[in-house]
Amino acid sequence: NAGVTQTPKFQVLKTGQSMTLQCAQDMNHNSMYWYRQDPGMGLRLIYYSASEGTTDKGEVPNGYNVSRLNKREFSLRLESAAPSQTSVYFCASSYRGETDTQYFGPGTRLTVL
Amino acid sequence: GNSVTQMEGPVTLSEEAFLTINCTYTATGYPSLFWYVQYPGEGLQLLLKATKADDKGSNKGFEATYRKETTSFHLEKGSVQVSDSAVYFCALSDSRNTPLVFGKGTRLSVIA
Repeated sequence: NAGVTQTPKFQVLKTGQSMTLQCAQDMNHNSMYWYRQDPGMGLRLIYYSASEGTTDKGEVPNGYNVSRLNKREFSLRLESAAPSQTSVYFCASSYRGETDTQYFGPGTRLTVL
Repeated sequence: GNSVTQMEGPVTLSEEAFLTINCTYTATGYPSLFWYVQYPGEGLQLLLKATKADDKGSNKGFEATYRKETTSFHLEKGSVQVSDSAVYFCALSDSRNTPLVFGKGTRLSVIA
């Protein structure tokens, strides 16, 4: 039972490049989330998916797109990376999304030069 | 909107000292409250939670009581260890099925 997995673990991009962060969970959870973590800012929600086939914007969605590919997978895409997107990105999942525990992946550390 | 405020860090304690990390919240309705912990280089993991007023969550020697009258959920531990060094996040989940709202985190360093 792997829980929540994220790839890659580290990535360096140049300004304007694109990339997709992958996330998968094997816990049969309905809800999945993408957060970014910056020093002194805590975790901020980028996008979430309450169930397969639905996605919603969070607090900081600009510059990102998401795809809920199936129940297991939820990807985050940066179409044109900017230095302000340098951050650590965490994917999380939960069974129902309301009061249930969120389980987090190990994170992707992204640097945009 | 919903928000969580937790004490600024970093907090540095000697081993076996008493720990309190303050957390207060603003929310409509009756939120569930959580403490998550992030060890160096890892993702967050749930430490404890409470889903209604006066509930006490506890795990690994940590405790927090849901106080509706003071809108607080302070984290406490009677005797910290070096292995407790981590960043601690307070969070809430609104009963209207919205995602977690996190505080900014408090870094704890415990020295031997």
